[in-house]
Amino acid sequence: KQEVTQIPAALSVPEGENLVLNCSFTDSAIYNLQWFRQDPGKGLTSLLLIQSSQREQTSGRLNASLDKSSGRSTLYIAASQPGDSATYLCAVVEYGNKLVFGAGTILRVKS
Amino acid sequence: DTAVSQTPKYLVTQMGNDKSIKCEQNLGHDTMYWYKQDSKKFLKIMFSYNNKELIINETVPNRFSPKSPDKAHLNLHINSLELGDSAVYFCASSSDRGETQYFGPGTRLLVL
Repeated sequence: KQEVTQIPAALSVPEGENLVLNCSFTDSAIYNLQWFRQDPGKGLTSLLLIQSSQREQTSGRLNASLDKSSGRSTLYIAASQPGDSATYLCAVVEYGNKLVFGAGTILRVKS
Repeated sequence: DTAVSQTPKYLVTQMGNDKSIKCEQNLGHDTMYWYKQDSKKFLKIMFSYNNKELIINETVPNRFSPKSPDKAHLNLHINSLELGDSAVYFCASSSDRGETQYFGPGTRLLVL
């Protein structure tokens, strides 16, 4: 059974810092991996999708890497801003299209 | 225009009642999903439909029944509501299996 773990559970940083969020999964037979952002009381917003054959994806200040063999992904956020404060969720897509989520990392960027 | 919409946004009801949550997507996607986010904020998939056919059905009580009248709609009907059904239910859609999923704003269900 696939399990997805995210570390740390919560993170508080001053504005401007670069930071790394970690995600690990137990079964490397994945179709792809997605990173989402969830703001309080809101739905999820897709940030990045990495296909299983890819090593990384970039969008603006966000960079996500994938090491499928070791079951790890990282989300790198450069020059963090208060508007980045949210919960960040990692999810792996198994063959059959089932999305398995981690519990999330709650990020707070202080101004 | 809202890509994935859900109604109602909030739902407060008594134990034992039957209720429905509606979901519509205007993205032209073929695949739609229902997720449950519990009080600990953990998201779990419940159902997935592709072209109106059920393709994922997780271990969900049979009190929960999804219905897809067409590709753009996936409704969730819940019979005999229980206290433990209180959660936020999210609908999502994707162009195909394994592609980026777009989520609705969620329906906050409280069973008293």
